[in-house]
Parts: sequence; C-alpha cells; structure tokens
Amino acid sequence: GDSVTQMEGPVTLSEEAFLTINCTYTATGYPSLFWYVQYPGEGLQLLLKATKADDKGSNKGFEATYRKETTSFHLEKGSVQVSDSAVYFCALRPGKLIFGQGTTLQVKP
Amino acid sequence: DAGVIQSPRHEVTEMGQEVTLRCKPISGHNSLFWYRQTMMRGLELLIYFNNNVPIDDSGMPEDRFSAKMPNASFSTLKIQPSEPRDSAVYFCASSLDSGGTDTQYFGPGTRLTVL
Repeated sequence: GDSVTQMEGPVTLSEEAFLTINCTYTATGYPSLFWYVQYPGEGLQLLLKATKADDKGSNKGFEATYRKETTSFHLEKGSVQVSDSAVYFCALRPGKLIFGQGTTLQVKP
Repeated sequence: DAGVIQSPRHEVTEMGQEVTLRCKPISGHNSLFWYRQTMMRGLELLIYFNNNVPIDDSGMPEDRFSAKMPNASFSTLKIQPSEPRDSAVYFCASSLDSGGTDTQYFGPGTRLTVL
C-alpha cells in the first residue's frame, strides 16, 4: 500500500542554519504531497503542498519539490529560526492522508 | 472564519467509562476525518465521512469505537468502554472534498487520558 518515510529525528540546528528533512514515498498513481507542521500543544497546520511532478510548494521560507523520478518531497529552508521548532509531517493523498512518522526539529539560539 | 472546533480539549476518565469527543467542521466543508495520535503509533486515520456518510472506517480499532455524523456541522467519536490504551490525542479535520488535492484543516485536538 501507499506509504511515506521520513528521516528520523530529532534534528537539532542552530539559528540561521540550513534545514533539510527528507521524505520519500511509495504510491500507485500520482498522489498529491503535503508537509504539515505541528507546534507544541496544537493541531497540524498545512505548511505547503504540491499536486504534480516538478511542482514546488513554498511557504514561510520553506520549500519542497515533487520529484517523481526519486519519489521524494524533501523539505528545505535556508535559514531556520527558533520559532520553527516543531514536528514536521510529510503526507500524501488522494483519498485519505497517509502520514510519515514525523520529524522533530529543535532550533537553538 | 472559525476553524475546526473540538471539545473537550482535555478529558480525564476512568477505565470502563464512556467518552464522547465532539467536532464541528469548517462551514461548507463536506469531508470530515478523525485521527488518533500517540507516540508509539504516530498519526492514524480512524474514520472519514463524506457528505455525512462514513466512507472508510477501516482504521477504527475495535467495536468499542463508534463515530457518527448526524449533520454537516457536527460529528462525534465515542469510546465505550474506555481503556488505558485509548489514551491519546484525537484530532478532527475537515476538507472540501474527500479525494484529490484539497487541504485538510485540523482542529486543536482532544487529549484523552484513561486511568
């Protein structure tokens, strides 16, 4: 069945460092891909999405490109801030959302 | 616009008691999803509805769990009887469609503790 695999965390970075969180997927057909973020004590919020191959989703300085040839959707940000500390989930659909296990990001000042 | 509303935000109960979690989706959305989040199992989809009809309940763990959506603006998830292993955060989400690309919007969650 369809699945999503994320790099294990926690990822600990200093402020202004470059961030990459790897995400790969297995799916039949052409799923849409998403990154959600969960701040402590809150629900999940959509961060960005891409609906077809080579699409780039972007929001709040984060970017991810839908790579069909490598079945990947890696999340990147050029300069992280302390306020980016959260859990990041990669997910795919159509139909029900299938989530990766989540990657915790800790950014230290 | 108000987002997805869930109540209660926190629930502490004793094993064997009935628990009812409530969700109000975003107005105009026609799909509603119930998820459970635990450290061990991550995020799991329990059930989802489209136009108030349950479409996929394959994630419901067992007969102790039941979900209803009597109208477009309200859904409940009931656990009877509750067990300590049901302790988790339960999220409700809604979207404009049941498939394709549409974004799911999540509520703040209900943290359930079963003693």
